[in-house]
Amino acid sequence: DTGVSQDPRHKITKRGQNVTFRCDPISEHNRLYWYRQTLGQGPEFLTYFQNEAQLEKSRLLSDRFSAERPKGSFSTLEIQRTEQGDSAMYLCASSLLAGGQGTDTQYFGPGTRLTVL
Amino acid sequence: AQSVTQLDSHVSVSEGTPVLLRCNYSSSYSPSLFWYVQHPNKGLQLLLKYTSAATLVKGINGFEAEFKKSETSFHLTKPSAHMSDAAEYFCVVSSQTGANNLFFGTGTRLTVIP
Repeated sequence: DTGVSQDPRHKITKRGQNVTFRCDPISEHNRLYWYRQTLGQGPEFLTYFQNEAQLEKSRLLSDRFSAERPKGSFSTLEIQRTEQGDSAMYLCASSLLAGGQGTDTQYFGPGTRLTVL
Repeated sequence: AQSVTQLDSHVSVSEGTPVLLRCNYSSSYSPSLFWYVQHPNKGLQLLLKYTSAATLVKGINGFEAEFKKSETSFHLTKPSAHMSDAAEYFCVVSSQTGANNLFFGTGTRLTVIP
């Protein structure tokens, strides 16, 4: 399978701990996105990269959150000093920069479910 | 500003009957619109995408959606529901023309009754 992969699939942590998630995009895709999905809601955009550059960040991305894509391939999302409100599914997606009209098609990974106790 | 409203949080149909999942959008520009499906414990899968080429968009698994600018709607339909269609469906709009963050609706859970 050459789709988007995420690791770990599940993470349980205690409040105040730091956690880091990894996303491996589809190999030729130059754009990578992070979203957060809470129970009963649709995903909400957090941030996106084009190659290694972080081009946009949502207001949802507080200063406890940091994302990197150091070599323009895989990405990591770190949450410092986790809070119970951080409990959610964290989704990664990737796309190939569209040459024509319209928005790229984003392909999603299975997500990392974070539970903060 | 852009937003998406999915008019039904839950739709229940009998196997073999038509499916209609309703979506209205709000946008100050010409948006790209999508429908994604999310099966339990699986990732989001793209069903179809509208980017102004044709108002009737055909997707995978027999689904299609029609873009109606006058009604600002992008309803998802399928002539005959299958048990495997039971899932959560999200209507999605792009943030602005050619841009890349997506705005998701709150989802419609489709139940298919045997």
